[in-house]
Amino acid sequence: ELKVEQNPLFLSMQEGKNYTIYCNYSTTSDRLYWYRQDPGKSLESLFVLLSNGAVKQEGRLMASLDTKARLSTLHITAAVHDLSATYFCAVDMSSGSGGGADGLTFGKGTHLIIQP
Amino acid sequence: GAGVSQSPRYKVAKRGQDVALRCDPISGHVSLFWYQQALGQGPEFLTYFQNEAQLDKSGLPSDRFFAERPEGSVSTLKIQRTQQEDSAVYLCASSDLPGTQYFGPGTRLLVL
Repeated sequence: ELKVEQNPLFLSMQEGKNYTIYCNYSTTSDRLYWYRQDPGKSLESLFVLLSNGAVKQEGRLMASLDTKARLSTLHITAAVHDLSATYFCAVDMSSGSGGGADGLTFGKGTHLIIQP
Repeated sequence: GAGVSQSPRYKVAKRGQDVALRCDPISGHVSLFWYQQALGQGPEFLTYFQNEAQLDKSGLPSDRFFAERPEGSVSTLKIQRTQQEDSAVYLCASSDLPGTQYFGPGTRLLVL
């Protein structure tokens, strides 16, 4: 059974600081996703990481993937209040063969509060 | 273009009632997924369609849950004889094959 663990689950930080959210998963997977969810809203896709060593950046957020360690990180640089949200990582449940889409297994989410 | 849409956005049901939740995926997306999100938790996979074929229903919690996508586009998730533990947000997502899943706004179901 695929398991996805995120930590921390709750994070309160000040604007201007840097921090990293960690996502560990239990079995081999080709695809890892990061989503953002604002209160009462649906999930917004942030990043798709498809291979070992993949790194993607968008604004103050940077995501990386280490498939050997089964670890992905989401790094926040110089945080601003607008980044307050819940961040989820999710792993594709299909095999590494790339043979088609399948459901995602999500972590419990990291609830991030950025204080001015 | 239009994203994934879901209706109704909110549904209150009395315990024992049947409910039907609708999902309109992004036009042309082959894959369609249903997830259940309890308060404060991550979404949990329910079922997956590729076109009209339901390829995986391993996440459906009981035989009271039923999903269909008869023409390979719109999908309906039906819950029979609703129970209080069914209260959650039901999210629909669609994707190209394979690719990022794009989520709809969800249906918030409250069973009293």
